[in-house]
Amino acid sequence: KQEVTQIPAALSVPEGENLVLNCSFTDSAIYNLQWFRQDPGKGLTSLLLIQSSQREQTSGRLNASLDKSSGRSTLYIAASQPGDSATYLCAVQDSNYQLIWGAGTKLIIKP
Amino acid sequence: NAGVTQTPKFRVLKTGQSMTLLCAQDMNHEYMYWYRQDPGMGLRLIHYSVGEGTTAKGEVPDGYNVSRLKKQNFLLGLESAAPSQTSVYFCASSYSIGKGTLSSGANVLTFGAGSRLTVL
Repeated sequence: KQEVTQIPAALSVPEGENLVLNCSFTDSAIYNLQWFRQDPGKGLTSLLLIQSSQREQTSGRLNASLDKSSGRSTLYIAASQPGDSATYLCAVQDSNYQLIWGAGTKLIIKP
Repeated sequence: NAGVTQTPKFRVLKTGQSMTLLCAQDMNHEYMYWYRQDPGMGLRLIHYSVGEGTTAKGEVPDGYNVSRLKKQNFLLGLESAAPSQTSVYFCASSYSIGKGTLSSGANVLTFGAGSRLTVL
């Protein structure tokens, strides 16, 4: 059974730092991996999607990498800003086309 | 373009009461999903639909029923609410669940803002 883990559960860093969020999964047979952002009281917003054949995707200050063989993905946020404060979730689409979700990392960027 | 709209946003129920959560999307998406989110856990799929008139069970379907009578609407019902169903419920929709040959945009889910349900 596919399991997705995100460590740490919470992270607090000063503004301006570059940071990395981690996502690991137990079964490498995936179609894609997605990173989402969740703001309090709001729905989830898709940030990046990496197909299984890809190694990374970039959007602005965000860069997501995928290493299927090791079952890992990282979300790199450059030059963090207070507006980046949110919970970040990763999800893998498994061989049954279902999305399996991590519990998220709550990120706080201190001004 | 409203995207995905969920109603109500908040609801408090007593054990044994029934209620329906409504999800509406205006993007002509084929696929719709109901998830629940509990503290410290990832989202868990309750039920989903691959098109009008069709529904399927997800990971945690017990205690819930769904209907997709119209393509744009996906209803989640609780027939007899229990405290264990206290949660935040999210609806989402997508063009398809993707089979590798589709563009990345087709796999992306659009979420509603969530419905917070408390069962006393």
